[in-house]
Amino acid sequence: KAGVTQTPRYLIKTRGQQVTLSCSPISGHRSVSWYQQTPGQGLQFLFEYFSETQRNKGNFPGRFSGRQFSNSRSEMNVSTLELGDSALYLCASSSEGQINTEAFFGQGTRLTVV
Amino acid sequence: AQSVTQLGSHVSVSEGALVLLRCNYSSSVPPYLFWYVQYPNQGLQLLLKYTSAATLVKGINGFEAEFKKSETSFHLTKPSAHMSDAAEYFCAVGVAGGYNKLIFGAGTRLAVHP
Repeated sequence: KAGVTQTPRYLIKTRGQQVTLSCSPISGHRSVSWYQQTPGQGLQFLFEYFSETQRNKGNFPGRFSGRQFSNSRSEMNVSTLELGDSALYLCASSSEGQINTEAFFGQGTRLTVV
Repeated sequence: AQSVTQLGSHVSVSEGALVLLRCNYSSSVPPYLFWYVQYPNQGLQLLLKYTSAATLVKGINGFEAEFKKSETSFHLTKPSAHMSDAAEYFCAVGVAGGYNKLIFGAGTRLAVHP
């Protein structure tokens, strides 16, 4: 069974640009969550999608958005990039919509904003 | 609001020694608690989870954790450290009613020396 796949693995963008990151969950999983990991702030929840609906959102500005498709694949978009957006972006998928089920994480996308 | 505190950002042990990583949580409702491990340039892997079934939880790679409500703690232990245990460890709490939202501690980097 294939794991969670995030593409691309590494990305370099310039301030002011926008970026789209992709996450393919484990087959059959309907929940996808996104996290930002930085040395200063640690792991912070961005948002969670279940069956194409955003159910929960973290405290991030509106420049951060996401969506989920009917095949459960998810994308997140960051517009008007800032230097502080440099981070490892992780997505996690789980089979059910409940917190007590295991979340499987991808390897992440390392975004560098210059 | 729920939160997690990990005491000690860096822990160093000798190979074969006891590993003890500390985690305290704050939650107004019975929590779901998790320990994840992250190796360099990798995503997170679930070590174990507490979902109220048993207070002593056994996980993968010989790790276990004990839920102590009176101390609001969920410390991670392993009787004998291996070199391969060197990684960063994260304690997390599941948000009540927050579906798959996890709140992570700041992490503890474990070093194992010969």
